[in-house]
Amino acid sequence: NAGVTQTPKFRVLKTGQSMTLLCAQDMNHEYMYWYRQDPGMGLRLIHYSVGEGTTAKGEVPDGYNVSRLKKQNFLLGLESAAPSQTSVYFCASKPRKLAGLTGELFFGEGSRLTVL
Amino acid sequence: DQQVKQNSPSLSVQEGRISILNCDYTNSMFDYFLWYKKYPAEGPTFLISISSIKDKNEDGRFTVFLNKSAKHLSLHIVPSQPGDSAVYFCAASARNQGAQKLVFGQGTRLTINP
Repeated sequence: NAGVTQTPKFRVLKTGQSMTLLCAQDMNHEYMYWYRQDPGMGLRLIHYSVGEGTTAKGEVPDGYNVSRLKKQNFLLGLESAAPSQTSVYFCASKPRKLAGLTGELFFGEGSRLTVL
Repeated sequence: DQQVKQNSPSLSVQEGRISILNCDYTNSMFDYFLWYKKYPAEGPTFLISISSIKDKNEDGRFTVFLNKSAKHLSLHIVPSQPGDSAVYFCAASARNQGAQKLVFGQGTRLTINP
């Protein structure tokens, strides 16, 4: 059981380039999230999705776009990368059945992105 | 505006002693609180949680205490073991809000010394 898988694990971009991070989960979870982790800032929510075909903005959505065309996949896109987007990105998922009972998220291993 | 704050970036504790990690929050709508543990190059993993209707939850060596009036929670680890060395994140959510988004603190790096 792979859980939550993120690709790529590492990427170096030049300012202005575009890229997509892929998150795939095999747990049939309805909710999916993208967070970024920066030193001294903890994890901040970028975008999230409560189901296939739906997305919503989190705390720091500017400069990012997302899509949830399939239930198991949640894509995070950077159209024109900036050095301020250098960070470690984490994808997470959660089943809806637990939504009212717990807030436990299942995280991927992270994707380290450097923008030069 | 940091709604969840962990004011200690790091903590060093001797093996076998108690580790106490602290967390403060400002949003009175938060009613569910969690602690996550993170090792280098791995994603955070869930450790323990507490609902606002309780003031204590215990799971083995880990106990979380919640003081709603002070908007403060703490994680106690006793006895501390070398494998507990990691970054610990406090998180909070308001369950009546859609998607139960988690708001995280900055993290505290715990080092257990042999």
